[in-house]
Amino acid sequence: GAGVSQTPSNKVTEKGKYVELRCDPISGHTALYWYRQSLGQGPEFLIYFQGTGAADDSGLPNDRFFAVRPEGSVSTLKIQRTERGDSAMYLCASSLFSNTGELFFGEGSRLTVL
Amino acid sequence: QQQVKQSPQSLIVQKGGIPIINCAYENTAFDYFPWYQQFPGKGPALLIAIRPDVSEKKEGRFTISFNKSAKQFSLHIMDSQPGDSATYFCAAQGSARQLTFGSGTQLTVLP
Repeated sequence: GAGVSQTPSNKVTEKGKYVELRCDPISGHTALYWYRQSLGQGPEFLIYFQGTGAADDSGLPNDRFFAVRPEGSVSTLKIQRTERGDSAMYLCASSLFSNTGELFFGEGSRLTVL
Repeated sequence: QQQVKQSPQSLIVQKGGIPIINCAYENTAFDYFPWYQQFPGKGPALLIAIRPDVSEKKEGRFTISFNKSAKQFSLHIMDSQPGDSATYFCAAQGSARQLTFGSGTQLTVLP
């Protein structure tokens, strides 16, 4: 597709469950970012991939959060033992290179933990 | 050091008015300052961006003013339209490559 694709668009889960969120970036974009956005707030950085490797994971809140990008394209954000405080919009973005701020965002995956 | 402070939190203007949104930063290593526009249920979309070697940039009805010494930058929307009603985020990028976002300004343009 032409833009960044994220699935699912909505995910409702119970506390303690495991969740995977998928991001399909724009074809050819080498840099991929995950952000988390709470209601009424700006996006907060989670992790950044350059190619297959995580170049910066300093934004991951704790070890329940993990992300992979095994082939340098699609990425999966994984959340173990979900907590109610994990409820947020999870945004994925990609860019052609990492040296500008021209990030192209997907429409996000809204996670609700009951 | 990594924060970007944005104001106001919300703004209401009449059609044709010129809303102004302000941002301030502390980290002098930031070297790229984009503005993003976000509509409800959508991801943020890049609107306009500036680097600190210029003091102003215009694209259509949108203008960024940049004051390097004050570490402040602002977005002006000329001849605002109801379709401009959205949430606007300033952001800053440095050597870490990640974007640091402001808290957002919800703009409403009344018809």
